[in-house]
Amino acid sequence: SQELEQSPQSLIVQEGKNLTINCTSSKTLYGLYWYKQKYGEGLIFLMMLQKGGEEKSHEKITAKLDEKKQQSSLHITASQPSHAGTYLCGADNSGGSNYKLTFGKGTLLTVNP
Amino acid sequence: NAGVTQTPKFRVLKTGQSMTLLCAQDMNHEYMYWYRQDPGMGLRLIHYSVGEGTTAKGEVPDGYNVSRLKKQNFLLGLESAAPSQTSVYFCASSSGTRDTGELFFGEGSRLTVL
Repeated sequence: SQELEQSPQSLIVQEGKNLTINCTSSKTLYGLYWYKQKYGEGLIFLMMLQKGGEEKSHEKITAKLDEKKQQSSLHITASQPSHAGTYLCGADNSGGSNYKLTFGKGTLLTVNP
Repeated sequence: NAGVTQTPKFRVLKTGQSMTLLCAQDMNHEYMYWYRQDPGMGLRLIHYSVGEGTTAKGEVPDGYNVSRLKKQNFLLGLESAAPSQTSVYFCASSSGTRDTGELFFGEGSRLTVL
């Protein structure tokens, strides 16, 4: 079974609409990272969450890590075409040395003008 | 600011051929990683390194070898390429510390094995 589940797999919204992407881990999260990827390009770091209940915002994007630290949500307010791309969550489940991230399969976001 | 640089960006191989992908980072990071990205499979960790001279297996290491002879470089080798290794390969680096440990990614290397 997948250790890190993202939902939905894809999302089409009208410009100006709000949307939420979820990321659920089957293991305890010691850190949760959100990245954005445009087609054919590398991953761009958005935000990192470490503490249960933590919430961070950057421009119109807000990410939260739930209290039990096994789920995160990414919320975009008043979406714009520039928000289009694939959003990936990455999880640090190691809790110790050999720091590495496991990634979800991604959520493809399309924003129609 | 170069960050993480991968070479080559595109390569076509025939089955059985060998090749090496080079990753270079200029951020003095201890940790480096090689991932592959396939449609419907997401990013999967192949091998990683926690410092110069060290390597470790990730989720999908079979068919690949790696070396970290210098801190700034991490090489991914395919000794005998197979069509199943057709993929986009991403290198990443990080400081390895949780407080500032986000991964910085290269732009990817697209490999096709015929």
